[in-house]
Amino acid sequence: SQQGEEDPQALSIQEGENATMNCSYKTSINNLQWYRQNSGRGLVHLILIRSNEREKHSGRLRVTLDTSKKSSSLLITASRAADTASYFCATDASGGYQKVTFGTGTKLQVIP
Amino acid sequence: DAGVTQSPTHLIKTRGQQVTLRCSPKSGHDTVSWYQQALGQGPQFIFQYYEEEERQRGNFPDRFSGHQFPNYSSELNVNALLLGDSALYLCASSRGTGGARRGQPQHFGDGTRLSIL
Repeated sequence: SQQGEEDPQALSIQEGENATMNCSYKTSINNLQWYRQNSGRGLVHLILIRSNEREKHSGRLRVTLDTSKKSSSLLITASRAADTASYFCATDASGGYQKVTFGTGTKLQVIP
Repeated sequence: DAGVTQSPTHLIKTRGQQVTLRCSPKSGHDTVSWYQQALGQGPQFIFQYYEEEERQRGNFPDRFSGHQFPNYSSELNVNALLLGDSALYLCASSRGTGGARRGQPQHFGDGTRLSIL
């Protein structure tokens, strides 16, 4: 079963606009990661945020984490057509060895 | 510096057959995880190998088994294939899996597309 649930399932925006995707999860985590997947390809790691962090930036990406609400958001600013892809959050549950569980994904379409 | 490589890229099998998928991790990585991704879904964790042992396992039957070799490469074996096993199988590698090395980003291969007829 999926640990995370992304919202919305699909998002269509114009180039230059910002895109926000949300992720909710169920159990305590060690860290949360966001990945991008272009159609038919493998996943590309975007950013990792640890459970003791609240916000992280990387280029045009901004990730927030609220462990009390068990939720995270990914903001892509000034979107480009090349950002068109599926985006997944992935949680690494606390305890034991690393075990990354992916959510259902948000399909983002950026219209030129 | 080669990334994660998987072979074959595509495979067609019939029900009841057995299949072996292969993965070479990124240079410097010692941990390999396998995922199954059905069409339109997120990847589902199958299992993870570190130091040639299965360290974690997802909710998959014993028909799914694996192996890690001393050079860190890995194989995924699936026996008695079912139609529902049709999916993209992804391999991901990372450095370490526990303790202070936890939380290392995973690097994915482009997967093996398995179709069961």
